[in-house]
Amino acid sequence: DAMVIQNPRYQVTQFGKPVTLSCSQTLNHNVMYWYQQKSSQAPKLLFHYYDKDFNNEADTPDNFQSRRPNTSFCFLDIRSPGLGDAAMYLCATSSIQGAAFDEQFFGPGTRLTVL
Amino acid sequence: GEDVEQSLFLSVREGDSSVINCTYTDSSSTYLYWYKQEPGAGLQLLTYIFSNMDMKQDQRLTVLLNKKDKHLSLRIADTQTGDSAIYFCAGSGGGFKTIFGAGTRLFVKA
Repeated sequence: DAMVIQNPRYQVTQFGKPVTLSCSQTLNHNVMYWYQQKSSQAPKLLFHYYDKDFNNEADTPDNFQSRRPNTSFCFLDIRSPGLGDAAMYLCATSSIQGAAFDEQFFGPGTRLTVL
Repeated sequence: GEDVEQSLFLSVREGDSSVINCTYTDSSSTYLYWYKQEPGAGLQLLTYIFSNMDMKQDQRLTVLLNKKDKHLSLRIADTQTGDSAIYFCAGSGGGFKTIFGAGTRLFVKA
């Protein structure tokens, strides 16, 4: 089945220790997104890739970076995690190129704990 | 900025109808969506409505849109225990940005 896979599902890191979350997709979609979702809050878009073009949201902290080495993979790097970065991180993909109708396909998320 | 608001919890009895409500602020939202998230799984598109429509029905699901009041609702008829999940309202107006609500957790009591 075509899908969006996130690894690991649970990640524990220490305050200030860099961490990388990964996302892969078998849908061959050209757009990939990273969202941060804190408890009982809406998923918040951090950035997206349209093919190789990286698009950062204006309020995404510099502490968050992303890499997309190929169509299938996208990584979220948190350079110096703080306690406030503990959250669920959702990866999503879509194939529509910025059109109004944009069904997104989500992975199950990675829950990040910062000690 | 753009905002989507929905109540956090709803509890219904099995067999009853569920109505989940949502309000949004961005009048340029062209498409409005309902996503469903089951435990341990990602968000999955349940249904959507185009902004020039008032209603859309799909089997047990009915979406109502009041564009004047910026109010969207999802009605689930004959709610089953398998409908227990978190339901997210979302809107997009073109481009790559979709704005999500915080989700409504639906509890279905047998």
